[in-house]
Amino acid sequence: GAVVSQHPSWVICKSGTSVKIECRSLDFQATTMFWYRQFPKQSLMLMATSNEGSKATYEQGVEKDKFLINHASLTLSTLTVTSAHPEDSSFYICSESGRRTGEQFFGPGTRLTVL
Amino acid sequence: DAKTTQPPSMDCAEGRAANLPCNHSTISGNEYVYWYRQIHSQGPQYIIHGLKNNETNEMASLIITEDRKSSTLILPHATLRDTAVYYCIAETGANNLFFGTGTRLTVIP
Repeated sequence: GAVVSQHPSWVICKSGTSVKIECRSLDFQATTMFWYRQFPKQSLMLMATSNEGSKATYEQGVEKDKFLINHASLTLSTLTVTSAHPEDSSFYICSESGRRTGEQFFGPGTRLTVL
Repeated sequence: DAKTTQPPSMDCAEGRAANLPCNHSTISGNEYVYWYRQIHSQGPQYIIHGLKNNETNEMASLIITEDRKSSTLILPHATLRDTAVYYCIAETGANNLFFGTGTRLTVIP
């Protein structure tokens, strides 16, 4: 399967700062990438679908101005959490579509802690 | 996407087969059944998927009932590294996976 990396793997920041998380497809050109969020002891929740060269599609309840997504190339999508607050502390995971319908390859995740 | 129902937790002895059930009684004809698992603090990992025939790969087997209203994921010889949360997902092909609460499988030495 495809290999997806994320950077950083964990980050601690002060409230009010912005944090950028990178998601890279290492061996596959990903037209579509997905961003999920997972709070402690909860399941993954899809935040947005990132399409190369176009605007991301956000799920209901996800603020697009707060969670900026850029997918400028086939191998890189970035999620920027702007003006982060403690309630944004979570595990952020990206994925890319595989060749088979419904198949996704997930990155290792980025743990964000906002103080 | 059809709703799936899984038991919240299961235990399995190391070396034994782990059988994880999933109910998807409202599944439609064009929805596949996907299984993913998530080991603690890692991204989910694809395991297997099927439409109506039973499937087997190097990780697991998937048994789907004839009416497609339920399925069972089988890990033939569970190891401690198989301890994870297992998610059963019914997906139409939109590539938007809805992760429910899954089953937390604990493999016991």
